[in-house]
Amino acid sequence: GAGVSQTPSNKVTEKGKYVELRCDPISGHTALYWYRQSLGQGPEFLIYFQGTGAADDSGLPNDRFFAVRPEGSVSTLKIQRTERGDSAVYLCASSPGGGRSPYEQYFGPGTRLTVT
Amino acid sequence: KQEVTQIPAALSVPEGENLVLNCSFTDSAIYNLQWFRQDPGKGLTSLLLIQSSQREQTSGRLNASLDKSSGRSTLYIAASQPGDSATYLCAVSDGGSQGNLIFGKGTKLSVKP
Repeated sequence: GAGVSQTPSNKVTEKGKYVELRCDPISGHTALYWYRQSLGQGPEFLIYFQGTGAADDSGLPNDRFFAVRPEGSVSTLKIQRTERGDSAVYLCASSPGGGRSPYEQYFGPGTRLTVT
Repeated sequence: KQEVTQIPAALSVPEGENLVLNCSFTDSAIYNLQWFRQDPGKGLTSLLLIQSSQREQTSGRLNASLDKSSGRSTLYIAASQPGDSATYLCAVSDGGSQGNLIFGKGTKLSVKP
């Protein structure tokens, strides 16, 4: 079956602009996670959805970052007033169950965001 | 705060060698540990998931062990091949969290033909 997909694969934007990054999880997966990976680093957690609600958004760096998952499937990560420091690969992962579940997380290919 | 460290940062071996990648974590109260592979410019591919109650998991030429009390995991790769060249990431799911993973920086493996 289809894996996690993310669009766009690459996004170049100017400092100060608004961007939206999309994630399509594996069908039926209730848990969805967003991570951010800077060059030479491991991914860092941003936000976790269980169904439609954000169960944990403690990893969002500031209030310029926001994410939604209105129907419990597709999620959109939104970044306002982008800064050069936001440049990174944004990864999405889904899982059949979040929290204390025995399931693996399955990752998408990521969106490479470059802020000029 | 949970921290995950992977040693070495980079490793180069000739084809056919058996090798071990190391992962350590500071807080032993983990729920599970997952090993991933990442090819350049790509996302993460899950290799093995070890629950906190388990000691090891095997898949083909890969074997991952977990010693929760000492905060260590190893990934053993048997008979390495050039196609194994990639960055290997270790991540733990904190028992008190919502399941989000905490990653190490990875080990970049190069297998020379």
